[in-house]
Amino acid sequence: DVKVTQSSRYLVKRTGEKVFLECVQDMDHENMFWYRQDPGLGLRLIYFSYDVKMKEKGDIPEGYSVSREKKERFSLILESTSTNQTSMYLCASSFALGSEKLFFGSGTQLSVL
Amino acid sequence: QKEVEQDPGPLSVPEGAIVSLNCTYSNSAFQYFMWYRQYSRKGPELLMYTYSSGNKEDGRFTAQVDKSSKYISLFIRDSQPSDSATYLCAMSHDSGNTPLVFGKGTRLSVIA
Repeated sequence: DVKVTQSSRYLVKRTGEKVFLECVQDMDHENMFWYRQDPGLGLRLIYFSYDVKMKEKGDIPEGYSVSREKKERFSLILESTSTNQTSMYLCASSFALGSEKLFFGSGTQLSVL
Repeated sequence: QKEVEQDPGPLSVPEGAIVSLNCTYSNSAFQYFMWYRQYSRKGPELLMYTYSSGNKEDGRFTAQVDKSSKYISLFIRDSQPSDSATYLCAMSHDSGNTPLVFGKGTRLSVIA
């Protein structure tokens, strides 16, 4: 069964801390995505990557960076967390960019105190 | 104007009811239309996928696309408590080379 695995289910951090969120997919997908999901705001795309070492900004990249050193792994980095980054973070992957099924991980609920 | 508009609900219906979930969009270049279902504390999963206009049926679920009105719908017949979830519409441009654009999701509760 296809799988997108996120490293943590829940995280609690203090403002100013650095956070790495890791995502691994086992489907040999070209494309990987990071979203955040907030009540009333829906899913918002932070960054995506269509190839190893390639990245593109999504709709809300400010305060975030990403790394994709290997095809199966896509990391989201919060250099200095702030309370407004408290959110559910969802990783996804797909074979093609816009016309194919997205496979999502179960999400990481990040709370920044 | 947002590219994709979706009524957030929440929507509460009795078991067995017919449910209609809808999205409108503004970009006529959208050609691929999807519905994702998201259970509580889980990631979304693809429920229905249609290309261009028309209807698609899968069991109790029917997806409709009306490109002339820029309107898509998901119908759930004989709704069950297990259908309680958030439903997100998603769509992408005809090139298929840009990420999906999501609606904000509609939260549905089916009461037994």
